[in-house]
Amino acid sequence: ETGVTQTPRHLVMGMTNKKSLKCEQHLGHNAMYWYKQSAKKPLELMFVYNFKEQTENNSVPSRFSPECPNSSHLFLHLHTLQPEDSALYLCASSIGTSGRYYEQYFGPGTRLTVT
Amino acid sequence: TQLLEQSPQFLSIQEGENLTVYCNSSSVFSSLQWYRQEPGEGPVLLVTVVTGGEVKKLKRLTFQFGDARKDSSLHITAAQPGDTGLYLCAGEGDSNYQLIWGAGTKLIIKP
Repeated sequence: ETGVTQTPRHLVMGMTNKKSLKCEQHLGHNAMYWYKQSAKKPLELMFVYNFKEQTENNSVPSRFSPECPNSSHLFLHLHTLQPEDSALYLCASSIGTSGRYYEQYFGPGTRLTVT
Repeated sequence: TQLLEQSPQFLSIQEGENLTVYCNSSSVFSSLQWYRQEPGEGPVLLVTVVTGGEVKKLKRLTFQFGDARKDSSLHITAAQPGDTGLYLCAGEGDSNYQLIWGAGTKLIIKP
C-alpha cells in the first residue's frame, strides 16, 4: 500500500449505531488530519494530530471521537450521529505544519450516510 | 477570520478553450496551495506558491500568487476532458495547524 488509505469507502449507519473510520498513511509523515467535506462548502477541519498529540479540535461535537495510536494510524469513532453528519470524511497527512511541510496528502475518503 | 473565496463556483466549457479561476482574500497568506479533486477521490496537491508574484507552470496549468499574497489564480490553456474536477485553494494563514480552504470551483470540460 502506498499513500493514504481509508476504510471503509462507504458507510450507512443509523443514528443509534456506533462505527469507526480508519486511516493509515505510508508516507512517514508526522501530522494527520480529519476533515469533513459537504457540498459547496469549504473543507472543515475536525481534528489535527501532530506527532501523535492532538493539537486542534475545532469545536467538533462529542459524538465524533478521534484516536491516534501511532503516527501512521488515525481513527474516527462515531456514535449517535445525526442526519446532518452525512458527508465525505477525508483523512490527510503532512510532513509538518508550516510552509512546504504543510502540503496535504489525502485519502480517498469515506462517504458516510446517516439514516 | 481569514476567508478564501473562489470564483467562479462552476464552469463548463468546451475542450480546447482557455480558462482562469480565482482564489481571493482580504488576508495575507504565507503560502497558498492548489488541489484538484475528482469524483470519489480525495484532493490531490497540484502546486504550492510561496513568494508574492510567483508564477508556476505545470504543463498547461499556470498558477500565480498575487504580489500582496492575498490572492491567486489558476489558468488552464487548451483545456482537456482530463482537467475536469473540483479545484480547491488552501492558504497557510495565521492559525497554527490549520489551512484556510476555499469552497472550490467545479470545472467540467466537454469533449
